[in-house]
Amino acid sequence: DAGVIQSPRHEVTEMGQEVTLRCKPISGHNSLFWYRQTMMRGLELLIYFNNNVPIDDSGMPEDRFSAKMPNASFSTLKIQPSEPRDSAVYFCASRIQGISHEQYFGPGTRLTVT
Amino acid sequence: AQSVTQLDSQVPVFEEAPVELRCNYSSSVSVYLFWYVQYPNQGLQLLLKYLSGSTLVKGINGFEAEFNKSQTSFHLRKPSVHISDTAEYFCAVTPGSGNTPLVFGKGTRLSVIA
Repeated sequence: DAGVIQSPRHEVTEMGQEVTLRCKPISGHNSLFWYRQTMMRGLELLIYFNNNVPIDDSGMPEDRFSAKMPNASFSTLKIQPSEPRDSAVYFCASRIQGISHEQYFGPGTRLTVT
Repeated sequence: AQSVTQLDSQVPVFEEAPVELRCNYSSSVSVYLFWYVQYPNQGLQLLLKYLSGSTLVKGINGFEAEFNKSQTSFHLRKPSVHISDTAEYFCAVTPGSGNTPLVFGKGTRLSVIA
């Protein structure tokens, strides 16, 4: 299996621009998680989906952030407009709900907003 | 709700020396426990997990951890570290009854010195 796939791996953008991060979970996994990692705050859960339905988005920082999961094999995290404080590494993870508790992480997208 | 405390943010250790990375959790229900490792510029990889049974759990790369319910701890150990073990280590917890996301500690940076 290819594992969780994220794109792009690196993104550099200017403040005010729209940023879209993409994730393809492991085939057969029905739960998907978006995390943000910074030096100051560590690893934060932003939102998670079960069977393509958002379950808890209380970790999304503000309305500039939105996430979708249109089907079982694809999810996006969008930031519009982006700000320098959004600079971080964004991770996507997936697992099989109800069978496996461990989460499998993608390699992450390093976002830099200038 | 569950929480995880990793008592040491940084642990320097000489090569071939033993190491222990400490993890304590808080929960009012039974839990599953995990240790993940993050190498530079990579995602998180599962080292080991405790779900039930023997309280001593062995993982990859010679690591092991012991679940201590009375002390609510899940410390990670390795008898002899290598330079290649230099990484960030995360302890995580999830309630054993549900399908909620893992709750992560803030991480411990292990630096192995030659």
